[in-house]
Amino acid sequence: GEDVEQSLFLSVREGDSSVINCTYTDSSSTYLYWYKQEPGAGLQLLTYIFSNMDMKQDQRLTVLLNKKDKHLSLRIADTQTGDSAIYFCAERYNQGGKLIFGQGTELSVKP
Amino acid sequence: DTGVSQNPRHKITKRGQNVTFRCDPISEHNRLYWYRQTLGQGPEFLTYFQNEAQLEKSRLLSDRFSAERPKGSFSTLEIQRTEQGDSAMYLCASSPGTGGGETQYFGPGTRLLVL
Repeated sequence: GEDVEQSLFLSVREGDSSVINCTYTDSSSTYLYWYKQEPGAGLQLLTYIFSNMDMKQDQRLTVLLNKKDKHLSLRIADTQTGDSAIYFCAERYNQGGKLIFGQGTELSVKP
Repeated sequence: DTGVSQNPRHKITKRGQNVTFRCDPISEHNRLYWYRQTLGQGPEFLTYFQNEAQLEKSRLLSDRFSAERPKGSFSTLEIQRTEQGDSAMYLCASSPGTGGGETQYFGPGTRLLVL
């Protein structure tokens, strides 16, 4: 079946690292994505990882993929108040390319 | 190119009325997707087009919903006889498609409120 799960809330202090976790079910997924959504806005693509990779780093963002456990994480280094938003993990369903999203993790960054 | 655009950004309508939303994808993107997002949830897939062909429809898309992409560029999503349960954010995304990359870029969404 198609299912992506995330924890709902994460609170960190400014300057700390944030780690947002996600589990997915479709082992044939080729791409996994992280999107950011600010209040009332659409989804902003943050980064993605191809399924044959274990890790991808992009400035303050590090994505780790454990394909065996179907676990994906997003680490944000030196978290800033501007990082406060909802973060969505999504897997690209192999057939047709539709994305299956998790419920989103609300990140709150306290000064 | 300024990205995916959607119009209107907000729509308030009365139950039973018809509404139509428009999406303009990134230029030369072959694939166009519609998703629906309700409060506190992630987006859910509704349908997608490869050029002008509608290739997949979710079972969420009841017969009151219809989507078109007549010339393979912009798309419209129409909801007939709206119900309060249709209240949601309707998101459009586009991607280059086969051979050009699969990453989907989202528009700002159309927020629908059915009274």
